[in-house]
Amino acid sequence: DTGVSQNPRHKITKRGQNVTFRCDPISEHNRLYWYRQTLGQGPEFLTYFQNEAQLEKSRLLSDRFSAERPKGSFSTLEIQRTEQGDSAMYLCASSLGLAGTQETQYFGPGTRLLVL
Amino acid sequence: RKEVEQDPGPFNVPEGATVAFNCTYSNSASQSFFWYRQDCRKEPKLLMSVYSSGNEDGRFTAQLNRASQYISLLIRDSKLSDSATYLCVVNALDTGRRALTFGSGTRLQVQP
Repeated sequence: DTGVSQNPRHKITKRGQNVTFRCDPISEHNRLYWYRQTLGQGPEFLTYFQNEAQLEKSRLLSDRFSAERPKGSFSTLEIQRTEQGDSAMYLCASSLGLAGTQETQYFGPGTRLLVL
Repeated sequence: RKEVEQDPGPFNVPEGATVAFNCTYSNSASQSFFWYRQDCRKEPKLLMSVYSSGNEDGRFTAQLNRASQYISLLIRDSKLSDSATYLCVVNALDTGRRALTFGSGTRLQVQP
C-alpha cells in the first residue's frame, strides 16, 4: 500500500496521559498536514510541514500539542496532559507541492483518540 | 460565521434521483476548490476539484460562482454507493496558507 499510513489507528488513554501518533506520508511527498476532526464536523487544520520545516500552525494547536518531522519523511504528533476535549480523529495528509500546479492532499485513515 | 458553510442534511433520495449540494465560502481570496467524499468512520477522499468553468466527471458535475462565493455539486442517477458525507473544501493560497478549510459536510443517504 503506497498511501498515507497512520499509527495507531485507535488510542484510548486516561486524562493527563501523553500520547504520540505517527504519520507516514506518500513517498516523495514534500508536504505533510495534520488535521483534527470531531463528530459532525469537517476536519480542522492543526499544522503543516514542508519537508522538515514546520511552516504553519493553527491557533487550535495549544502548547500541549507538538509536531515534528525530523527527516522530512514521517511525522509525529504528541499531545501532553490529554484532556477529554482532545478526543477526536487525528488525520494526516500529504501532498506533492510543485510550483504552478494545483496541490491535492491525500489523507491517511486517521488515529481515533478517546480520552477517558 | 464559518468560513465554509454547507447544509448538513441528511438528504434522503431514492436510487436514480438527481441531487444537488450547495456550499458558500466567506474568504474572497480563496483560490482552489474541491469536493471530498467521506464514508462513515473513514478518511476524506478527493472526489473532484472545482474549476471556474465548471467541470464534470461521469455522474458528478461541479460548479463555481466566484462572484457569489458559491460552489455546487450535482449527482445524477444516484447509486446506493453514493451514500456518504460530501465535504466542500477551499484553499486561500494567496494568504500564504496552504491548509484546506472544510465545511461540516452534507450527508447523503441513497435509498433502494
